[in-house]
Amino acid sequence: DIVMTQSPDSLAVSLGERATINCKSSQSVLYSSNNKNYLGWYQQKPGQPPKLLIYWASTRESGVPDRFSGSGSGTDFTLTISSLQAEDVAIYYCQQYYSIPFTFGPGTKVDIK
Amino acid sequence: EVQLLESGGGLVQPGGSLRLSCAASGFTFSSYAMSWVRQAPGKGLEWVSVISGSGGSTYYADSVKGRLTISRDNSNNTLFLQMNSLRAEDTAVYFCAKGGGTSYYSACDYWGQGALVTVSS
Repeated sequence: DIVMTQSPDSLAVSLGERATINCKSSQSVLYSSNNKNYLGWYQQKPGQPPKLLIYWASTRESGVPDRFSGSGSGTDFTLTISSLQAEDVAIYYCQQYYSIPFTFGPGTKVDIK
Repeated sequence: EVQLLESGGGLVQPGGSLRLSCAASGFTFSSYAMSWVRQAPGKGLEWVSVISGSGGSTYYADSVKGRLTISRDNSNNTLFLQMNSLRAEDTAVYFCAKGGGTSYYSACDYWGQGALVTVSS
């Protein structure tokens, strides 16, 4: 199984400042035949289901604000919130869908400083 | 508008059974893989199972293999999770989720609100 790790476990950022979350997979999730990274990012607010933010590691889902961006390739990935807003307080998960089981990272909690 | 509505959750004794349903609307159900993902109280997300659009292919996490069975009824746009031999560690909110593409190798772009399953005596 591919093990997903995230860092930090939690972070507190001032409103308007940048938040950066890292995700690492235990093996590459880059599929060489199509050059796509099988990596998604989700946001989950309390009492709500997860919401897809980013897929293919860097493609923003429709309707997601452009302050959210994803980057990275192979085994190392980053979710960046360029200017944190109050509504971004949530837990963020990465997930690989390269190989079954489609494992999630443990999550990173983002709060306002 | 895509909608996914889970039902069938509840309290069940260890060793018991439960069947979850997920009614889908707003998209061509048979064209998309569907998944179940669960979340134990206060914990992170755990992928449980996926089924292809046709229903011909199914895959499971090792933790549920042989006890949980995913299926679908494309004529009624409904996804199921049959849960047998339930254990305390199966206690969780179970989310159904739609695959983002025709292949099950895709992120989940829509999620239901979840159904709580509690396994306790």
